[in-house]
Amino acid sequence: GAVVSQHPSRVICKSGTSVKIECRSLDFQATTMFWYRQFPKQSLMLMATSNEGSKATYEQGVEKDKFLINHASLTLSTLTVTSAHPEDSSFYICSARDPGTGTYNEQFFGPGTRLTVL
Amino acid sequence: ELKVEQNPLFLSMQEGKNYTIYCNYSTTSDRLYWYRQDPGKSLESLFVLLSNGAVKQEGRLMASLDTKARLSTLHITAAVHDLSATYFCAVDRISGGGADGLTFGKGTHLIIQP
Repeated sequence: GAVVSQHPSRVICKSGTSVKIECRSLDFQATTMFWYRQFPKQSLMLMATSNEGSKATYEQGVEKDKFLINHASLTLSTLTVTSAHPEDSSFYICSARDPGTGTYNEQFFGPGTRLTVL
Repeated sequence: ELKVEQNPLFLSMQEGKNYTIYCNYSTTSDRLYWYRQDPGKSLESLFVLLSNGAVKQEGRLMASLDTKARLSTLHITAAVHDLSATYFCAVDRISGGGADGLTFGKGTHLIIQP
């Protein structure tokens, strides 16, 4: 299957700083990528849809000014958590759909980034 | 609002036993996905079910989809310890295709004891 990578895998930062997380599709081009957040022992919640060359679409309740998404190329989307606070500590997972797999929207997930804000 | 409900949320079972995890959803989607998540890890795709009546099997796991009942099942046969994980079902938010995010169930935390 298609491979999606994320970097970094783990980050610890101080409250008030900004953190950038990269999501790359390694062997396919992804016009659309997705960002999910998972709190401990909970399910995944879709945060936003990242569209190459256009603005991201954010889910209700997700602050677009706090979670900046840039999808500047067909293989890279970035999520920047601005002015991070402890409540932003979570597991962030990106996914991408490989258009070559047809229309059934199978998404391939990255390995995740664990963010801890002190 | 799209809802995806899994049950049970927690399951402890012995090796060698059979069990079924259920996933109910509220959309008219004809596609459903099953994932496995190990502690501290991301999601591993298990099954993609694309139509009513679809059945897929991989090893000791078998998944099925009944779109009329809006129900999918994940059946575990003769469980082994290595199957201990959290299992999620998910559906497309938009029926009929297109690039959209997924809505996940809360997950079933499965522990298989020797």
